[in-house]
Amino acid sequence: KAGVTQTPRYLIKTRGQQVTLSCSPISGHRSVSWYQQTPGQGLQFLFEYFSETQRNKGNFPGRFSGRQFSNSRSEMNVSTLELGDSALYLCASSLRQGGTYEQYFGPGTRLTVT
Amino acid sequence: TQLLEQSPQFLSIQEGENLTVYCNSSSVFSSLQWYRQEPGEGPVLLVTVVTGGEVKKLKRLTFQFGDARKDSSLHITAAQPGDTGLYLCAGEGWDNDMRFGAGTRLTVKP
Repeated sequence: KAGVTQTPRYLIKTRGQQVTLSCSPISGHRSVSWYQQTPGQGLQFLFEYFSETQRNKGNFPGRFSGRQFSNSRSEMNVSTLELGDSALYLCASSLRQGGTYEQYFGPGTRLTVT
Repeated sequence: TQLLEQSPQFLSIQEGENLTVYCNSSSVFSSLQWYRQEPGEGPVLLVTVVTGGEVKKLKRLTFQFGDARKDSSLHITAAQPGDTGLYLCAGEGWDNDMRFGAGTRLTVKP
């Protein structure tokens, strides 16, 4: 079974631009979560989508948004990029069933804002 | 402020040594996971613990969930260079949110 895929793997943007990142979850997984990882803050939860609906949202400004499609693929968008948005953006998929919440991460998209 | 505090932040040991890393919180979690992340990759799930007091073993790795479901530890026996990486704990809250600790960066020298 294929793992979680994220595209692109690397991205360089300038301040003020916007960016869209894509995530394809493991087949059969309906939950997709997005995280921002930086050396200073560690892994910070952005949001989770389940069956095309945003289920949870972290403490990030409205410039960060996402969506999920009927095939469970997800995109996240960051508008009006700031230097502080430079980070590794990770997507994780999960079955979201039973008593546990086991997530499987993609390799991430490394975003550099100049 | 991290909801989950991991210690130590950095750990450098020689091959063959034993080590323990800790994950502590004032919050109660419905489940707790440990991940290992290598440079340039996403975290890889190692184990999920659900029951207070639970102990799980994965070859040379032993995971323990505290009785009160607020803390956890990871013990590695006879560490090997291949164990090098960033170890992250993550707790699932009762509101279904997942929160990560800042991680312990382990280096095992040959």
